[in-house]
This record gives sequence, C-alpha cells and structure tokens, in this order.
Amino acid sequence: GAVVSQHPSWVICKSGTSVKIECRSLDFQATTMFWYRQFPKQSLMLMATSNEGSKATYEQGVEKDKFLINHASLTLSTLTVTSAHPEDSSFYICSASPSRSQQYFGPGTRLTVL
Amino acid sequence: AQTVTQSQPEMSVQEAETVTLSCTYDTSESDYYLFWYKQPPSRQMILVIRQEAYKQQNATENRFSVNFQKAAKSFSLKISDSQLGDAAMYFCAYRSARGGSEKLVFGKGTKLTVNP
Repeated sequence: GAVVSQHPSWVICKSGTSVKIECRSLDFQATTMFWYRQFPKQSLMLMATSNEGSKATYEQGVEKDKFLINHASLTLSTLTVTSAHPEDSSFYICSASPSRSQQYFGPGTRLTVL
Repeated sequence: AQTVTQSQPEMSVQEAETVTLSCTYDTSESDYYLFWYKQPPSRQMILVIRQEAYKQQNATENRFSVNFQKAAKSFSLKISDSQLGDAAMYFCAYRSARGGSEKLVFGKGTKLTVNP
C-alpha cells in the first residue's frame, strides 16, 4: 500500500523557537497534502490543505503566519511551527492524496514545547 | 457544510463476537466517498474500508463490512470475529467527490475495546 512518512516522529523544543515537520509520500505523487492536529482523545482537526506549487488553504481559526506550510514537490510538504509556545504542543498528522477516493496518513509527530 | 456524527463514544465486544459501529452524516451532495479509519494506540491512521456513494453494493474487506444506507445517510461498520488487534479508535469520514473539495470531514470517533 501507499506509504507516507513524517519526520521527526517526536520533537521537544523551547518556547520561542521554530520547528519544521516534514511529510513525504514515498511511493506515489500527491498533488494535495493535508495537515491535521489532534488533541488527546479527540478527533483530527484539519489545519490546512497543501497544494503543490501554490499557497496552502488554511481552515478558519488557524494562524497562517504561525503554521507555515510549503509544498515544494509532489512528494514533500513541510509544516513549520514558528515561535512555538506550550499551547502549540500537540500531535500533528499529515496525509497525502494520490486520488480523490484515497488518502493515506503519516505516522504523526508529537510536538512538546517547554 | 457536511457533518459526520458518531453517536457511540465507546463500545466493547467480546473476542470472536460481532460489533457494529454507527455513523451518520449530513450532506446535500449526491456524489461522495465515505471511509472508516482505525487509529490504534500507535496513533497511525489506517484505512479500514471505503465506500463510493454511487455504488449501491456495500463494501467488504475481509472481516469488515459496511451497511450503507444512502437515503438515511447512514454508514455503519460491522466487525465480525473480533480480534484483540481490532481494539482502537475508529473514525468515520466523509469526502466530497466535487472537484476542489478533497478534505476529509471526520466524526468524533468511537473507542472500541475487545475483551478476551
């Protein structure tokens, strides 16, 4: 099956620093990738839709200047959390879509901001 | 906007028994996709089963099957011969077939416990 990787799987950083999370589709090309945030015991909350070669589309309430998304190629999207604060601590999941009827998820990244 | 409702926050089943997880959705569209995803403690989201709305036949994947009732906007998941490895959070999700609307809309999830 299709594989999506995320790196790093977990990261701890100090408040005020920036953190970059990579999402790669390993065996397929994805014109569209998605970034989600998941709080403990809750569902996935879509943050933004990332399209290769164009600006990301952010969901209402998501700060685009804080969560920078870049979709530089058909297999790579990055999420940068800028000036991270403890409230940004969460589990971040990406997914990639090779077609409209399919969407595959990465293993997630646990971010802890001290 | 589309919404997905999972009315069972938690369910439990005995090993080898059958369990059904409920999902209803609201949409004005006629063409869409419905999914069930499994999220075990590892938190990796795993696709369990997919249904295209234009197909009347219910999807089946080994021990997993769905009961898709389009008119009632219902999409339940049946797990037969439950195994310990089936214990996880299960999320129902909707995706429009309309161009430019590729995002998934998730329900709040059902936590399934499998008792030995």
